[in-house]
Amino acid sequence: SAVISQKPSRDICQRGTSLTIQCQVDSQVTMMFWYRQQPGQSLTLIATANQGSEATYESGFVIDKFPISRPNLTFSTLTVSNMSPEDSSIYLCSVRRGDHREQFFGPGTRLTVL
Amino acid sequence: SQQGEEDPQALSIQEGENATMNCSYKTSINNLQWYRQNSGRGLVHLILIRSNEREKHSGRLRVTLDTSKKSSSLLITASRAADTASYFCATDALRGNEKLTFGTGTRLTIIP
Repeated sequence: SAVISQKPSRDICQRGTSLTIQCQVDSQVTMMFWYRQQPGQSLTLIATANQGSEATYESGFVIDKFPISRPNLTFSTLTVSNMSPEDSSIYLCSVRRGDHREQFFGPGTRLTVL
Repeated sequence: SQQGEEDPQALSIQEGENATMNCSYKTSINNLQWYRQNSGRGLVHLILIRSNEREKHSGRLRVTLDTSKKSSSLLITASRAADTASYFCATDALRGNEKLTFGTGTRLTIIP
């Protein structure tokens, strides 16, 4: 398995502000993934973060809204910019590990935007 | 859009009974993974089944995969109150660059 930590675990933010979520992994990984889970919904991939290159965003997600940093092989941040109530979700980071590339998830960051 | 569909969307059973959840998907896959999520927290990885496997066991969990029908099932035997959670399947497409696509999830409630 993988040990993944996220900070903060939860936050309540005002409309128009930004929040940066941190993800730390216990060992080096090439790719880190950021997912969003809107209330009562399943998970949707936001972007894939590779160390040393620009993140790759999925359809419907843009860098200006969700800038990502990947300064090294164990750490990444996701910023939710200019937040609105529609951004209220759980944000999860994830990595692949093992011979069969099992994917493991962090504990998530529960964001509420007022 | 989500590739996978799960059914039922919600399931309530008595403690001690078996619970079966189903997952269907649309494209060819490398593998399929099942996860558990308690009350909107992080996802716990349960089991991975590869496309060339038909059945896999882990403790009280049994997963089957039918690639001809593009479907999988998760069986939890002798259910416990602690099994109450949402369960998701996620597929790793054959040429998907390691991107997982999640199903819609099944909300399982175990009644003590």
